[in-house]
Amino acid sequence: AQSVTQLGSHVSVSEGALVLLRCNYSSSVPPYLFWYVQYPNQGLQLLLKYTSAATLVKGINGFEAEFKKSETSFHLTKPSAHMSDAAEYFCAVTGDTGRRALTFGSGTRLQVQP
Amino acid sequence: NAGVMQNPRHLVRRRGQEARLRCSPMKGHSHVYWYRQLPEEGLKFMVYLQKENIIDESGMPKERFSAEFPKEGPSILRIQQVVRGDSAAYFCASSPPEYGTGVAYEQYFGPGTRLTVT
Repeated sequence: AQSVTQLGSHVSVSEGALVLLRCNYSSSVPPYLFWYVQYPNQGLQLLLKYTSAATLVKGINGFEAEFKKSETSFHLTKPSAHMSDAAEYFCAVTGDTGRRALTFGSGTRLQVQP
Repeated sequence: NAGVMQNPRHLVRRRGQEARLRCSPMKGHSHVYWYRQLPEEGLKFMVYLQKENIIDESGMPKERFSAEFPKEGPSILRIQQVVRGDSAAYFCASSPPEYGTGVAYEQYFGPGTRLTVT
């Protein structure tokens, strides 16, 4: 079985400040991990993915995430927040043999203050 | 390359009616997934299909819900005798064939169908 925990349902940062969105996972098999972003009334856009290559993964829009097996974490960061980053962010895990279903966290809503 | 397409974008049904949601995967993708997002919640997996086959339906409610992905045409998620609790956003995603283990697990999402049951 797999699960994802996203700490903090709401995160607020000032424009230009560091963004840190937390994700911890549980998986009985080597995981594949993903971060998605969802803007209001839209679908999910893939930000970045970890698929057992480099542990530091760079994605779109200046986001990156680091896979830490010892901490079972895959936190999302961005050095400097922009107003356009305001959205909901979802961490997801898969990797179960024979199952491709993504298991999503409950999401973190990011607010960016001017 | 067009993305995943879903229609309709918004669907209103009265209790007891049927809802049909359609999904056309990205070109070259042969795997389709359906997820449901209830208000203020994350996405929950419903079903995973390949052409003419249901691979994993472990997230589908046992009654009233069905899905298909025919040889020709879009994937269809069908909800019979809708109830107010079915009101949600339904997202379809697709992924490419198994060329490499990592790539095969990437899922690309459509814009969703927002179902409202009155």
